Amino acid sequence: DVKVTQSSRYLVKRTGEKVFLECVQDMDHENMFWYRQDPGLGLRLIYFSYDVKMKEKGDIPEGYSVSREKKERFSLILESASTNQTSMYLCASGGTINTEAFFGQGTRLTVV
Amino acid sequence: ELKVEQNPLFLSMQEGKNYTIYCNYSTTSDRLYWYRQDPGKSLESLFVLLSNGAVKQEGRLMASLDTKARLSTLHITAAVHDLSATYFCADPNFGNEKLTFGTGTRLTIIP
Repeated sequence: DVKVTQSSRYLVKRTGEKVFLECVQDMDHENMFWYRQDPGLGLRLIYFSYDVKMKEKGDIPEGYSVSREKKERFSLILESASTNQTSMYLCASGGTINTEAFFGQGTRLTVV
Repeated sequence: ELKVEQNPLFLSMQEGKNYTIYCNYSTTSDRLYWYRQDPGKSLESLFVLLSNGAVKQEGRLMASLDTKARLSTLHITAAVHDLSATYFCADPNFGNEKLTFGTGTRLTIIP
C-alpha cells in the first residue's frame, strides 16, 4: 500500500524558531513536493524535488528551504518561523509520468 | 500564468440529485487528476485522466477530460451524504508532475 508519512500531525512553535517538517515515502518515487493549504487560497506549491539533492522553487518559496539527501525523504525547513507561516503543510510524492501524486496526512503548524 | 479554475466553489445539494463540477485549466496538459479531501484530512486520489476523451467512473462519481476545451468535469449521480467533501482538480503541467490545483469545490449533501 502506498505510503507517505509526515513526522507530525500537529506542531506548535514560537516565532523565530527553526522548524523542520519531515516527509518519508516508501514508493521509490523520484518526485516529492511540499504544499501549504490555507482557507480561501487552496494548495500552493512551496518546493519540489525531482531527484536526490535536486530542488526547485515552487510558487511561494520565500521563508522556506528544503533538503533531499535520500530519495525517500524530503524535509521542509522554516529558517525563522513567523506567524504568517501558520498553516496546514502537505507533503506529496509522485512517480513517473501518468502516476498521480500521493499525499501524506498533513502537518498543522501553528506559530505563536 | 498557470491557472486552474473550478466552479462552483460551494455546492449544497439534496440527496438523490445529480450535479456537475467543472474544472478549467490553462495549459496544454493532456492529463488531469481529481482528489477528494475530508475536513481536517489530507488529499485522496480519486481519478487519473490520461488522455483526451478519457472517462473514469467510481460508484456515483464520473470524471471526464476534454483536452481541446481544457475542461474536466466531475459528475455526481444520485448524491448520498458520504460524498460530502471538498473536491480538487489538479493539472500536472506538461508531465513534470508539478501539480497546480484548482480552488476546490466544497460539496455538502443535505438529507
